[in-house]
Amino acid sequence: DQQVKQNSPSLSVQEGRISILNCDYTNSMFDYFLWYKKYPAEGPTFLISISSIKDKNEDGRFTVFLNKSAKHLSLHIVPSQPGDSAVYFCAASFKNTNAGKSTFGDGTTLTVKP
Amino acid sequence: GAGVSQTPSNKVTEKGKYVELRCDPISGHTALYWYRQSLGQGPEFLIYFQGTGAADDSGLPNDRFFAVRPEGSVSTLKIQRTERGDSAVYLCASSLGGLSTGELFFGEGSRLTVL
Repeated sequence: DQQVKQNSPSLSVQEGRISILNCDYTNSMFDYFLWYKKYPAEGPTFLISISSIKDKNEDGRFTVFLNKSAKHLSLHIVPSQPGDSAVYFCAASFKNTNAGKSTFGDGTTLTVKP
Repeated sequence: GAGVSQTPSNKVTEKGKYVELRCDPISGHTALYWYRQSLGQGPEFLIYFQGTGAADDSGLPNDRFFAVRPEGSVSTLKIQRTERGDSAVYLCASSLGGLSTGELFFGEGSRLTVL
């Protein structure tokens, strides 16, 4: 039973256009949702997060939208750049002293073409 | 160092052997996590330390896996009687601990291959 799902294994986008990465979850009790970015041979790097009490969080080119009724979140990257090409992981965690215990999706590989 | 450091970066061993993987977290980070990432999957939680104690080891798959953090800094993940199914990238992460939004700082991982 996978609680966090990223149904698109890959996404290809033209440079300058918008990239939209999607994530679905099943547990309505999650308190935080996070996006991590991973380059080959490196560990995941935190990108952006959102609390379950909000529906949008923006940081520069990156915006995360949360739709609690649909148990769905998405990461928007505008404009997309070739350096954004990486694997993106969606993760979810609970609000307690162990908020770092996250449940991850299987990732979406984003390719941004010049 | 500035980031989370993991050694070795690569480890090839034979089935049945014992393996130790080391993690040196970011200085001042009290919380330390071990995750395992199999090919094509996302990281999977193994164990969490707050200080020296294992606060949550619910993700350890069986009793062949054990981890320690004796002085509240460096941690070692120990795998006994390795099996081919243990082959994966073992990721260590640290954070400031306490109440937080869950942001983790990951190391580059130790790739374990069991032949």
